Amino acid sequence: AQSVTQPDIHITVSEGASLELRCNYSYGATPYLFWYVQSPGQGLQLLLKYFSGDTLVQGIKGFEAEFKRSQSSFNLRKPSVHWSDAAEYFCAVGARSNDYKLSFGAGTTVTVRA
Amino acid sequence: EAQVTQNPRYLITVTGKKLTVTCSQNMNHEYMSWYRQDPGLGLRQIYYSMNVEVTDKGDVPEGYKVSRKEKRNFPLILESPSPNQTSLYFCASRGPLRVNTEAFFGQGTRLTVV
Repeated sequence: AQSVTQPDIHITVSEGASLELRCNYSYGATPYLFWYVQSPGQGLQLLLKYFSGDTLVQGIKGFEAEFKRSQSSFNLRKPSVHWSDAAEYFCAVGARSNDYKLSFGAGTTVTVRA
Repeated sequence: EAQVTQNPRYLITVTGKKLTVTCSQNMNHEYMSWYRQDPGLGLRQIYYSMNVEVTDKGDVPEGYKVSRKEKRNFPLILESPSPNQTSLYFCASRGPLRVNTEAFFGQGTRLTVV
């Protein structure tokens, strides 16, 4: 069964600084990979996804993520954060052999300071 | 507009009083799921459904029931709620992962059981 680890529970970053959120997965083959964002009081919104092809994936709101098979990672990055990026971020993995299941990490809360 | 609608958004109830949280989607998706979100644990799948009349347990099914009589609806039933079911609940719908789909989430239902 697949699983996801987000090592950082909470990250604080200054507005305008770069942001990187880590995600490691456990799965025997190439998984489907996703990043979702949850703003306070809201549901989850898809930022980006990786299914195949180019390992650097561009998403909405200026985010990108890179799939590194050798490290079993799918880290999320943004070059310059805005105050509105303060939210909780979830990495998720889906298995190609098990289409119904989408497993989520525990989430990383991002605080943006002025 | 593609959406997943959950009701109610907020609910406070007493131990043992049966309740139902409704979920409806307008995208003709086959897959629907219920998750609960708890601090430090991320989203954990309660039940999922792959189509009408096809449901199965997720990772934390104890104390919950579901039904899928129509493709668009997937209610979550708590027959006898207990305080440990106090949580934030999300309904999600999607197509099969292999056809490059994403999961759409409802706005969430914050349940408090006293």
